[in-house]
Amino acid sequence: QVTLKESGPVLVKPTETLTLTCAVSGFSLSHPRLGVSWIRQPPGKAMEWLARISSTDERSYSTSLRSRVAISKDTSKGQVVLIMTNMDPVDTGTYYCARVLYYAFDYWGQGLPVTVSS
Amino acid sequence: QSALTQPPSVSGSPGQSVTISCTGTSSDVGAYDRVSWYQQAPGTGPRLIIYEVSDRPSGVPDRFFGSKSGNTASLTIAGLQAEDEGDYYCSSYTTSSTLWVFGGGTKLTVL
Repeated sequence: QVTLKESGPVLVKPTETLTLTCAVSGFSLSHPRLGVSWIRQPPGKAMEWLARISSTDERSYSTSLRSRVAISKDTSKGQVVLIMTNMDPVDTGTYYCARVLYYAFDYWGQGLPVTVSS
Repeated sequence: QSALTQPPSVSGSPGQSVTISCTGTSSDVGAYDRVSWYQQAPGTGPRLIIYEVSDRPSGVPDRFFGSKSGNTASLTIAGLQAEDEGDYYCSSYTTSSTLWVFGGGTKLTVL
């Protein structure tokens, strides 16, 4: 059974760095056809793709957030980590990790609501 | 990269069909057959229901049908059931370094 679960702080202050962890089970992060992405959804707005890491450790980022975001993985632990620097209230939203199979997200975590506020 | 355009809401009676549109550009929807659709119930993560425009993962009823014409993709749900209520999102792979874009979501109400 494939599962993904996000964890991390639900409240961060402006200018702080957000670190989120996605714990995966039921598949290997080294499987050739699979990757993991982070996606967020601000309240009342469209989902926004943030980053992807592939089985070969290739990393891709949203153009608008490239300077603030980093994605990494620990295959042995089954974890994918997203780091986002200089958090702002506009970064408030629900953060999801999702498994990437070719060009679709075939399994998602339940999401982690993150609020940026002083 | 701008979000894809979806209608905010659609509705239909049980047994009827509804279609949700997803309009993008030649840099996303129109560029590849890499459009996917997701169903989301409140408080849960999205569920993949259509990938590569019209393919269904195992377990998704054939009442869900995807198609594409030009820069617009569509999701049709036939034989509406109460359990189909929820939010539906489209997504497309893109030609840019922002690899994926999403639609704003459509709320389906079964009357």
